[in-house]
Amino acid sequence: QKEVEQDPGPLSVPEGAIVSLNCTYSNSAFQYFMWYRQYSRKGPELLMYTYSSGNKEDGRFTAQVDKSSKYISLFIRDSQPSDSATYLCAAKAAGNKLTFGGGTRVLVKP
Amino acid sequence: GAGVSQSPSNKVTEKGKDVELRCDPISGHTALYWYRQSLGQGLEFLIYFQGNSAPDKSGLPSDRFSAERTGGSVSTLTIQRTQQEDSAVYLCASSLASLAGGSEQYFGPGTRLTVT
Repeated sequence: QKEVEQDPGPLSVPEGAIVSLNCTYSNSAFQYFMWYRQYSRKGPELLMYTYSSGNKEDGRFTAQVDKSSKYISLFIRDSQPSDSATYLCAAKAAGNKLTFGGGTRVLVKP
Repeated sequence: GAGVSQSPSNKVTEKGKDVELRCDPISGHTALYWYRQSLGQGLEFLIYFQGNSAPDKSGLPSDRFSAERTGGSVSTLTIQRTQQEDSAVYLCASSLASLAGGSEQYFGPGTRLTVT
């Protein structure tokens, strides 16, 4: 079993809908949680970065971390076709190695 | 400002040949990471450099893989005697130094390696 699990999708939503993405993890030592967006043939782009449990909001993006259930989420409000990409969750402990989920492919249809 | 840059963007090589991949981190970032992204395996950590400390090589898949970082800036990942299973996108990331490991990592565009 991988340390960070993520549904590969694809997740297809109409434009304007809320996109809901989530990951589960197994390593209790993970303290830092990230969401990256990756367009085809591009490097991952950091979207959200959170420490420990709680919510973080940045524009249309909201990240949630629930350490008690080892569950992390990303919500995208008012989704746009330009949000179509693969979304990767990642986690790390006090060290610097990131452990990634497999990524969820999202398609926002106009 | 300038982000992480990598070269070449694409590399096709014959099985058994050696390849070198280059990474230029963001100016001022003292930590540098190499990851590999392949179908079926996702994104995997390879190696991490932090300042003058000994690198964390725990993710290197075999002794055919090595990396160095000269002058605390540019890094080169070398794969010797390439195999077809080495075909993947090799991604470099950099971050500010953080003893607690809490710094954000920023990725380059990657080098797509194809071994024929």
